[in-house]
Amino acid sequence: EIVMTQSPATLSVSPGERATLSCRASQSVSSNLAWYQQKPGQAPRLLIYGASTRATGIPARFSGSGSGTEFTLTISSLQSEDFAVYYCQQYNNWPPLTFGPGTKVDIK
Amino acid sequence: QLQLQESGPGLVKPSETLSLTCTVSGGSISSSSYYWGWIRQPPGKGLEWIGNIYYSGSTYYNPSLKSRVTISVDTSKNQFSLKLSSVTAADTAVYYCARDPFRVTLFGVERFGFDPWGQGTLVTVSS
Repeated sequence: EIVMTQSPATLSVSPGERATLSCRASQSVSSNLAWYQQKPGQAPRLLIYGASTRATGIPARFSGSGSGTEFTLTISSLQSEDFAVYYCQQYNNWPPLTFGPGTKVDIK
Repeated sequence: QLQLQESGPGLVKPSETLSLTCTVSGGSISSSSYYWGWIRQPPGKGLEWIGNIYYSGSTYYNPSLKSRVTISVDTSKNQFSLKLSSVTAADTAVYYCARDPFRVTLFGVERFGFDPWGQGTLVTVSS
């Protein structure tokens, strides 16, 4: 099973600032990685797939990069609606599909 | 626009079987380009994949739950279902269903993440 880790657990950012979230896989997942955003009481929403491709309707301030075992989600200028929990998920080796533990982005 | 909706009992007794159904609207569950998945999230915790099913009935389960999970599909009703047996309090969670698109290419299978998701349904295991 591929274990996903995310850092930091919590990231405190001021609106308008840049946020950089990290995701690491226990072995290479190539570019087979997705990022999701989850707000309280809501289902996760797909942001990025293929490590760097934005899903339909996702604003350009969200960008993903990386391959192999190291990945980054960058939010270039945080808006109020971006404060949420972000999860990475690998789909390179399955079953099982595995998610990271999440990074909470909150207001500084 | 494709929508998914989970339904089923919100309270299940310990040792009994949890049963949920996901109804797909706005598209066909019989498309050859999608898996259909179940994911759960205990209160205040992260996401755990339970399993996927293809419209033909092929299933893929999380090894950690495989002995207790059955996922089935009813193409005539555009639904797929989850059964989790011998539940304990540790199975208390919000259960989500989601579509898992893929495409077969010359280089292998290309996937695109879970999208969209149902709104989720809270299942509590308690006597």
